[in-house]
Amino acid sequence: GAGVSQSPRYKVAKRGQDVALRCDPISGHVSLFWYQQALGQGPEFLTYFQNEAQLDKSGLPSDRFFAERPEGSVSTLKIQRTQQEDSAVYLCASSLGPQGGGNTIYFGEGSWLTVV
Amino acid sequence: RKEVEQDPGPFNVPEGATVAFNCTYSNSASQSFFWYRQDCRKEPKLLMSVYSSGNEDGRFTAQLNRASQYISLLIRDSKLSDSATYLCVVKVLRGGSQGNLIFGKGTKLSVKP
Repeated sequence: GAGVSQSPRYKVAKRGQDVALRCDPISGHVSLFWYQQALGQGPEFLTYFQNEAQLDKSGLPSDRFFAERPEGSVSTLKIQRTQQEDSAVYLCASSLGPQGGGNTIYFGEGSWLTVV
Repeated sequence: RKEVEQDPGPFNVPEGATVAFNCTYSNSASQSFFWYRQDCRKEPKLLMSVYSSGNEDGRFTAQLNRASQYISLLIRDSKLSDSATYLCVVKVLRGGSQGNLIFGKGTKLSVKP
């Protein structure tokens, strides 16, 4: 479809394992966001890209979390040495223009990470 | 204190009931306001934006009170299909750069036959 696509949809990782989560935004969308949603909570902002530039990474919880968008389209969120508290749904979202404008933000279905 | 606070519910109402959700936000620099809907194990989807003058979309009415930093959502004639979690969302400009969406925890609504 033409929406935001994320993979894998479900991932079970052993504690200490590294994981990589992929996001394909809607084609042509300039802005890309990553959010973390723990069970029973609302989504929490992690990081924002405008094209390939990571303009805000203030929400990344630790230096184990790293995100990139090298060509301004697909983005990868990497979590190193996963811990149980990293278990959550990781939501990717994109919007047409630079954020700060009024464009609607579209979310992917999320990558469900469980750390055991 | 969370930037956006909502009553988590659950709100259990019969079909046809009117139900209201409230939300407060703490950052007076918040510039835009929204209600999102999230179905179980699905992604959030925009339900409606919220404007200072109040706005209506069918059975849904949203209100904003900037002085009190308070947002509301009213659902009239509720349907079974309205059962979902309703997320209150504000956009805040940070450091003069882009605005990010700040979500509340959500209010769970269950509409019963």
